Amino acid sequence: DTGVSQDPRHKITKRGQNVTFRCDPISEHNRLYWYRQTLGQGPEFLTYFQNEAQLEKSRLLSDRFSAERPKGSFSTLEIQRTEQGDSAMYLCASSLQGAAGGYTFGSGTRLTVV
Amino acid sequence: GDSVTQMEGPVTLSEEAFLTINCTYTATGYPSLFWYVQYPGEGLQLLLKATKADDKGSNKGFEATYRKETTSFHLEKGSVQVSDSAVYFCALSDPSGSARQLTFGSGTQLTVLP
Repeated sequence: DTGVSQDPRHKITKRGQNVTFRCDPISEHNRLYWYRQTLGQGPEFLTYFQNEAQLEKSRLLSDRFSAERPKGSFSTLEIQRTEQGDSAMYLCASSLQGAAGGYTFGSGTRLTVV
Repeated sequence: GDSVTQMEGPVTLSEEAFLTINCTYTATGYPSLFWYVQYPGEGLQLLLKATKADDKGSNKGFEATYRKETTSFHLEKGSVQVSDSAVYFCALSDPSGSARQLTFGSGTQLTVLP
């Protein structure tokens, strides 16, 4: 068990470019979550998957954001036409169904849009 | 909607001092409550949790008691160490218990001086 892995750790991109982040959860965890954390704030929920199904999306997840978990294992989060307001830490977490919130978080991907 | 309010930081203490970080919540039902810790450059780690009223969560010398009457879940430690320096987040899960998402407070930065 190597924990939750996120790649890349850091990403700097120009405004208007597309970016994609990857998350590899703990292998036996069937739930996967994406959160966004801005400086000085707590994480905010974006979306979650149970196996390959995306079951809930936050209003924070605009049309420019899309997340997938094609085989119920790793997940990707894509941001199209990035804006400076997208600069944040993007956190991935995983859990077993019914784990009552005992998530395991990855170290996050820090996105900077210039 | 659900919300979590934490005492504002930063909090600076000397080693071996007593720590209290206040957390209150607003929820329509009976959520599970959590404390997460984030060390510099790392993801969030679950520190402790409580799933029903009067439960006490504890880990690594930290404790928090689920107080339904005051809607609080204050974090305490009797003697802090330099290694406890981190950001601490209080969080709750949705009252349905399915823990589809967590609602976090804004975090409290703790610095412990030798």
